[in-house]
Amino acid sequence: GAVVSQHPSWVICKSGTSVKIECRSLDFQATTMFWYRQFPKQSLMLMATSNEGSKATYEQGVEKDKFLINHASLTLSTLTVTSAHPEDSSFYICSAIRGGENQPQHFGDGTRLSIL
Amino acid sequence: AQSVTQLDSQVPVFEEAPVELRCNYSSSVSVYLFWYVQYPNQGLQLLLKYLSGSTLVKGINGFEAEFNKSQTSFHLRKPSVHISDTAEYFCAAKKAGTALIFGKGTTLSVSS
Repeated sequence: GAVVSQHPSWVICKSGTSVKIECRSLDFQATTMFWYRQFPKQSLMLMATSNEGSKATYEQGVEKDKFLINHASLTLSTLTVTSAHPEDSSFYICSAIRGGENQPQHFGDGTRLSIL
Repeated sequence: AQSVTQLDSQVPVFEEAPVELRCNYSSSVSVYLFWYVQYPNQGLQLLLKYLSGSTLVKGINGFEAEFNKSQTSFHLRKPSVHISDTAEYFCAAKKAGTALIFGKGTTLSVSS
């Protein structure tokens, strides 16, 4: 149980295009979802927290107009990297909580984004 | 602000040797503590977690960790490692109602 699916797993696109990454909780309703970014050989940095039906809360230094997050339902959150540039290339990982403060975060397998 | 410090960026060990990966956290309030493992180009897998209760926590793959409140530590241990344990290990902490905050990670390299 508690499976989080992330799609796509790998995407390569040209500079200037927008890329959408989906995060789905397959067997539970996720009241809160998180988006992390991981640079090579580095740790996961929290980008934003999203609650279903409300605007995402972005961490300091994360451009909300660059990284659009939509959490339209209890099972789906999307991250759209707008007008992507090579410096946006990274590993993006989503995470979801089933509900309740003691519940663990369940992670997707990540999306490797490469901007040419 | 809450932070997690992993004291060793790389830990090389020989197969069947014991290993300890160190983690310290800083928080003025109670935190929940976690260890995750990440294999190359993959997502995170939860090894173990401490929420409350017994300070010695046993996880998957023979790993265990001990919560030490006085030293604000949550070190990960395994008595005998295998080649397959080679991976990146992340210590993480969270307060109630907040997201996980990760340490910078420790690369465990097991050789024969």
